[in-house]
Amino acid sequence: ETGVTQTPRHLVMGMTNKKSLKCEQHLGHNAMYWYKQSAKKPLELMFVYNFKEQTENNSVPSRFSPECPNSSHLFLHLHTLQPEDSALYLCASSQEASNTEAFFGQGTRLTVV
Amino acid sequence: KQEVTQIPAALSVPEGENLVLNCSFTDSAIYNLQWFRQDPGKGLTSLLLIQSSQREQTSGRLNASLDKSSGRSTLYIAASQPGDSATYLCAVSSLSSSGSARQLTFGSGTQLTVLP
Repeated sequence: ETGVTQTPRHLVMGMTNKKSLKCEQHLGHNAMYWYKQSAKKPLELMFVYNFKEQTENNSVPSRFSPECPNSSHLFLHLHTLQPEDSALYLCASSQEASNTEAFFGQGTRLTVV
Repeated sequence: KQEVTQIPAALSVPEGENLVLNCSFTDSAIYNLQWFRQDPGKGLTSLLLIQSSQREQTSGRLNASLDKSSGRSTLYIAASQPGDSATYLCAVSSLSSSGSARQLTFGSGTQLTVLP
């Protein structure tokens, strides 16, 4: 248990569906992140939120829409995805500017059919 | 743009061996370096964090070193066990290309198999 919880663990969705991934951290951190892990590729940073404000969007397509209502919760809203978006989506949190560890959730395995 | 490389991509050793995993990065302007373990289909478990001002960190059978000037880190695993089988990821923390946030840049990992 890392203190970062992601739901659901697995998700299968059609290309016309709308779904959301949820991440919650119980560590009192002020920064939260979404990463994408595709087969045979390094983890790719998608978004960074610091004190609920988005501070980084790594050229992510608009079919991925993040939301951070408070420092403990992070969502990733999905719509009209493509099969190549199938991947493991990982959420992480850290204490920005304190140079301490980042902690990751267990991930959501997304399959787009 | 920061790039992280891990060698080897895969490694298979008999139980009890000591082994070294390598990580290199292109931009030495880092805040810290973190080693993670990932089991199949799971998230990442943090193993060790080395600050940019440190040379090494130890936790149990694990020892990580950092040579920031040459852009290298190694993870040493002593007396390997079958339970150590996993993918080991190296990540460096540095300022994003936009300059607005810290980010972790990951290598592709080393897939370790320890044979009983």
